[in-house]
Amino acid sequence: KQEVTQIPAALSVPEGENLVLNCSFTDSAIYNLQWFRQDPGKGLTSLLLIQSSQREQTSGRLNASLDKSSGRSTLYIAASQPGDSATYLCAVRKETSGSRLTFGEGTQLTVNP
Amino acid sequence: DAGVIQSPRHEVTEMGQEVTLRCKPISGHNSLFWYRQTMMRGLELLIYFNNNVPIDDSGMPEDRFSAKMPNASFSTLKIQPSEPRDSAVYFCASSLEPIQRSHGYTFGSGTRLTVV
Repeated sequence: KQEVTQIPAALSVPEGENLVLNCSFTDSAIYNLQWFRQDPGKGLTSLLLIQSSQREQTSGRLNASLDKSSGRSTLYIAASQPGDSATYLCAVRKETSGSRLTFGEGTQLTVNP
Repeated sequence: DAGVIQSPRHEVTEMGQEVTLRCKPISGHNSLFWYRQTMMRGLELLIYFNNNVPIDDSGMPEDRFSAKMPNASFSTLKIQPSEPRDSAVYFCASSLEPIQRSHGYTFGSGTRLTVV
């Protein structure tokens, strides 16, 4: 059974810092990995999608990397801003699980002004 | 595109009552998913449809839960009878399968269900 773990569970940083969120998964036979952002009381917003054949994806100040063999992904946020405060979730799709996504429990990020 | 649309946004009901949650996926998407989010268990897949056909309903907690997708633009998740432990946020998501390289899942804003 695929398990997804995110570390740390919570993170508080001052504005302007660069930071890294970690995601690990137990079964490396994944099809892709997706990072989401969830604001309090809101739905999930897709940030980045990395296919299993890719090593990284970038969007603005966000960069996500994938090391499929070691079962790890990182989300790098450059020059953090208070507006980045949210819960960040990673989710993996296994090759053999059809369309099912398995989610981590998320990292709650607070960026202090 | 308006995205995935869910209704209602909030629902408060009494134990034993029937609850129906609704979802309109993104036009052109052929897969639809119902997830439930709680503090204790995080996000759990309840059921998903491909081309309006239920593919995997192994996450549906028990017979009190049922889901339908009568056409490509509408799905319902019904709980009958509802219980306090069903209180959660229910999300609907859609995607185009086979999954495209630049796309993933798109989630709705969720329905916050409270059963008292």
